[in-house]
Amino acid sequence: QKEVEQDPGPLSVPEGAIVSLNCTYSNSAFQYFMWYRQYSRKGPELLMYTYSSGNKEDGRFTAQVDKSSKYISLFIRDSQPSDSATYLCAMSAFGAGGTSYGKLTFGQGTILTVHP
Amino acid sequence: DGGITQSPKYLFRKEGQNVTLSCEQNLNHDAMYWYRQDPGQGLRLIYYSQIVNDFQKGDIAEGYSVSREKKESFPLTVTSAQKNPTAFYLCASSTPDRPSNQPQHFGDGTRLSIL
Repeated sequence: QKEVEQDPGPLSVPEGAIVSLNCTYSNSAFQYFMWYRQYSRKGPELLMYTYSSGNKEDGRFTAQVDKSSKYISLFIRDSQPSDSATYLCAMSAFGAGGTSYGKLTFGQGTILTVHP
Repeated sequence: DGGITQSPKYLFRKEGQNVTLSCEQNLNHDAMYWYRQDPGQGLRLIYYSQIVNDFQKGDIAEGYSVSREKKESFPLTVTSAQKNPTAFYLCASSTPDRPSNQPQHFGDGTRLSIL
């Protein structure tokens, strides 16, 4: 079983729809949770970054973390064709001794297409 | 503009050949990372470096080597021992400031293929 599971999709929605992207994980030590957006033939760009449980909103994007369920979500409101990309969840825990060496564990990525 | 530059964008390797992928950053970040991306598998960590002249193996280091002689540069060599090198390779860097020490900046990758 993978540490982080993400439905690869593909997911196709009409413009203006609300999109829900999700990841589940098994490692209870994960404390930092990220969502990256990756356009074709490009590197991932950081969209949202949250620590521990709770919600974080940034414009049309909302990230939710439920540590009790080991479940994170990214919501995109009023989706646009420019949102068409692969969305990657990523998470990390502190390493031994309380230091973090920056290792991220990624989900497989969800391919999203928003059609006009 | 600050960022991470990876070169070349496309690279072809012959059997038995070593190839080196370049990664340069002007973000003044101490930490740098190499990931491999395969379809349907997300990103997997190959090597990382927290500081100049020091680096650590990631989850899939076999068949790869790195060096970190300068803060700005973290080249990755794919050796002939790597039997399945065809993939998209991504370099990242981060600031060591607590509480976040996460790779937040990625280059645009190098796509490596076998001839």
